Amino acid sequence: SQTIHQWPATLVQPVGSPLSLECTVEGTSNPNLYWYRQAAGRGLQLLFYSVGIGQISSEVPQNLSASRPQDRQFILSSKKLLLSDSGFYLCAWYHPDRAGHEQYFGPGTRLTVT
Amino acid sequence: DAKTTQPPSMDCAEGRAANLPCNHSTISGNEYVYWYRQIHSQGPQYIIHGLKNNETNEMASLIITEDRKSSTLILPHATLRDTAVYYCIVRGISSGSARQLTFGSGTQLTVLP
Repeated sequence: SQTIHQWPATLVQPVGSPLSLECTVEGTSNPNLYWYRQAAGRGLQLLFYSVGIGQISSEVPQNLSASRPQDRQFILSSKKLLLSDSGFYLCAWYHPDRAGHEQYFGPGTRLTVT
Repeated sequence: DAKTTQPPSMDCAEGRAANLPCNHSTISGNEYVYWYRQIHSQGPQYIIHGLKNNETNEMASLIITEDRKSSTLILPHATLRDTAVYYCIVRGISSGSARQLTFGSGTQLTVLP
């Protein structure tokens, strides 16, 4: 079976500090990978998606970036965090060969920028 | 992707069936109906999806009306652990798209003891 991991689970960082969040998927190959952000009491906002190694598409201009160094690894980064970067960051995957194209989410990382 | 409308909140007694409605009157022929839920402080969890026919799995049943303009998610025997925000999403499956999921406000289901 497939599983998706995210770490860290929670993070408190000062404004201006760097960020690195990691997501890994097990039990599948060539997944599509997504980074979403959920602000408190709000819906999910798609940040980045990737259809393969080194292929990143950005949906929202911001001070965040994403990378996919390996097939099942997706990293979200920032060089300098802003207060507005606080939120719940979710990684998701789906496999394009699955008929339903349903997405599966990781447990999330709660980021607080102080 | 078609817009969906859900009631903001619902209560259900523990052990009873929870019926969560969703209107999607602008749904097109190649769009699926997906249901996810999000328990507080956790990532969204996929529940079920369907196109035209009713669907059932170990978690829930999905009833889609014949005109496909609305659907109902049924949790047959709700437990306290089913308390969550439930999202109804309509989206197509097409090549070349980001295939992102657009979550609306959802329905806050509270299962009461």
